[in-house]
Amino acid sequence: DQQVKQNSPSLSVQEGRISILNCDYTNSMFDYFLWYKKYPAEGPTFLISISSIKDKNEDGRFTVFLNKSAKHLSLHIVPSQPGDSAVYFCAARDNTDKLIFGTGTRLQVFP
Amino acid sequence: GAGVSQSPSNKVTEKGKDVELRCDPISGHTALYWYRQRLGQGLEFLIYFQGNSAPDKSGLPSDRFSAERTGESVSTLTIQRTQQEDSAVYLCASSLVATGGYTFGSGTRLTVV
Repeated sequence: DQQVKQNSPSLSVQEGRISILNCDYTNSMFDYFLWYKKYPAEGPTFLISISSIKDKNEDGRFTVFLNKSAKHLSLHIVPSQPGDSAVYFCAARDNTDKLIFGTGTRLQVFP
Repeated sequence: GAGVSQSPSNKVTEKGKDVELRCDPISGHTALYWYRQRLGQGLEFLIYFQGNSAPDKSGLPSDRFSAERTGESVSTLTIQRTQQEDSAVYLCASSLVATGGYTFGSGTRLTVV
């Protein structure tokens, strides 16, 4: 039973445009959501997070939006850069403080 | 250390052999997590340590898998009688407290042949 879902396995975006990565979850008890970025042969690195009491968090080119009623969050990257090409994982914190990860979306930003 | 260190970075083993994977967390981080990522799949939770105790072992896929942590520092994940389906990248992460701000290591790529 996949509690955190990333339904798009891949996304291709032109440099300078907006990248939108989506994530859906099923457990309404999740209280904290995070996005991680992973390059090949490296571990995931933390990108941005949002508490369940907020609906938006912005950090430079990265903004995370949370829609609790729809159990949906999204990561916006604008403007997208070739160095953003990586696999992006959505994660949610459960009531035992562990993170439940989605299956990832591979973003490719082309010139 | 400055980051989470995992060793070995790559391990090829024969089916049926035992393997040990090591994780050195960031000094002072009390929480330590093991995840694995099989080809084409997401990060699958295995086990979580708070200090030296493991309050959540729910993700261990079978009794062939075990893990321990000593000195609130190094952790080892042991897989006995390895099977081909154990092939994956095994990732370790640590955090200062269990607040979700994990720092991951680069992982151990395990291949069972």
